Amino acid sequence: SYELTQPPSVSVSPGQTARITCSGDALPQQYAYWYQQKPGQAPVVVIYKDSERPSGIPERFSGSSSGTTVTLTISGVQAEDEADYYCQSADSSGTSWVFGTGTKVTVL
Amino acid sequence: QVQLVQSGAEVKKPGASVKVSCKASGYTFTNYGITWVRQAPGQGLEWMGWISTYSTHRNYAQRLEGRVTMTTDTSTSTAYMELRSLRSDDTALYYCARGERQVGFDYWGQGTLVTVSS
Repeated sequence: SYELTQPPSVSVSPGQTARITCSGDALPQQYAYWYQQKPGQAPVVVIYKDSERPSGIPERFSGSSSGTTVTLTISGVQAEDEADYYCQSADSSGTSWVFGTGTKVTVL
Repeated sequence: QVQLVQSGAEVKKPGASVKVSCKASGYTFTNYGITWVRQAPGQGLEWMGWISTYSTHRNYAQRLEGRVTMTTDTSTSTAYMELRSLRSDDTALYYCARGERQVGFDYWGQGTLVTVSS
C-alpha cells in the first residue's frame, strides 16, 4: 500500500523556521494537504493543494512541492504552533487517500 | 456556520458491528463529499474512506474493504459509517470530515470514541 514518510519530530526555537518534509512516489501527480492537530482536538487543514492556505490560517504557514517531496514551512514559529502535523495525499490512481506518519513539532 | 456533529461513544464486543453517524449543517450537503478518518490511542491518522454525497461514488481503504460501509441520507444531511467484525485494534476515535480535492478535509466532526473490548 502507498505510504507517505515524515520525520517523527522537529524541534525549533520561537521565531525560527520549522520545515517538515513528506515523501511519496505519487506526490508529483497528486496534490498534498497538511493538517495540524493539537492534543484532544480534531485536525485542522493548514495547507491544501500543495501551497494554498485556507482563510484564517496565519501567513507564517506555507507549502511547497519538489518532485517526490512536499514541505510545510512555518516561519517565525510561535509557541501555539506546537502540535502534530500530518501530510495527506492520494496514490497514483487517485482513488486511495493516505496520511503521512506524522511529525511532532516542539517549540523549545 | 459549518458543523459536523457525530453520534456518541460506543462500547462493543469483538465480532460486533458499530454504526457512527455524522450530521452536517451550515452548508449544502450535496456540494461536498464526506471522508472518515480514525485515530487509535496515541497513534496517527488513518484514512478509512470517502463517499460522494452527489453520486454513487465511494472509495474505501484497502485494509478495511469488506468490513466497512459508508452511506449518506441526503434528506437529513447525515453520513454513516458502519464497521463490522470488530477487533480490539479497531478501538479508536472515529472522525468524519467534509472533503473534496479542491479544499482538502476542511471541517471535521468532534470524533466518536469506539472501544472494542470483551
